[in-house]
Amino acid sequence: DIVLTQSPVTLSVSPGERATLSCRASQSVNSRLAWYQQKPGQAPRLLIYAASTRATGIPARFGGSGSGTEFTLTISSLQSEDFAVYYCLQYNNWLRTFGQGTRVEIK
Amino acid sequence: DVQLVQSGAEVKKPGESLKISCVASGYTFSEYWIAWVRQMPGKGLEWLGSIYPGDSDTRYRPSFRGQVTISVDKSISTAYLQWNSLQASDTAMYYCTRHLTIHMINDAFDFWGQGVVVTVSS
Repeated sequence: DIVLTQSPVTLSVSPGERATLSCRASQSVNSRLAWYQQKPGQAPRLLIYAASTRATGIPARFGGSGSGTEFTLTISSLQSEDFAVYYCLQYNNWLRTFGQGTRVEIK
Repeated sequence: DVQLVQSGAEVKKPGESLKISCVASGYTFSEYWIAWVRQMPGKGLEWLGSIYPGDSDTRYRPSFRGQVTISVDKSISTAYLQWNSLQASDTAMYYCTRHLTIHMINDAFDFWGQGVVVTVSS
């Protein structure tokens, strides 16, 4: 299995500040990486796919970058509704795997 | 609008069988892979397997092969996840989700069902 390691485990950020989340793959996944947001009691929501393409309806403050083994999700100015857990997903092969998640909390 | 609507919460005893469902609408069901994802209490997301409704081609995560069965009924645009003998360790939230791109197996997931809580306890 390809292992995805997300860092940090928890990120404390003040509203309006920038948040940078990392996802590292144990081997190259090319650009086949997606990011999801999950709030308590809700299903995950697709934010980014193909490493940097925003899904339909996702605000421009969410941005993805990277390729190969190193990926970043940036939230340019955190809003109150952005405090949640974020997961990365690799789909380079059929045996897809998720990262363990990064919790973004209010500082 | 694309929607995936899952069946209701289940409480079962160890050794019992269970089949949960996911009804799709708003798109051509047979053309997009459907996946099942598990989330154990307080934990992260884990892909169990995916099925292509067009021909029922199914792929399982190796650790789940033989433990669950994924199936579809195209006539009613419904996907299923089934257990023959539940264990306490199957207690989790189970989501169905659609692959993003038509016909594509190696793909992200876009639309998600609301999830089904399965509790297995004696």
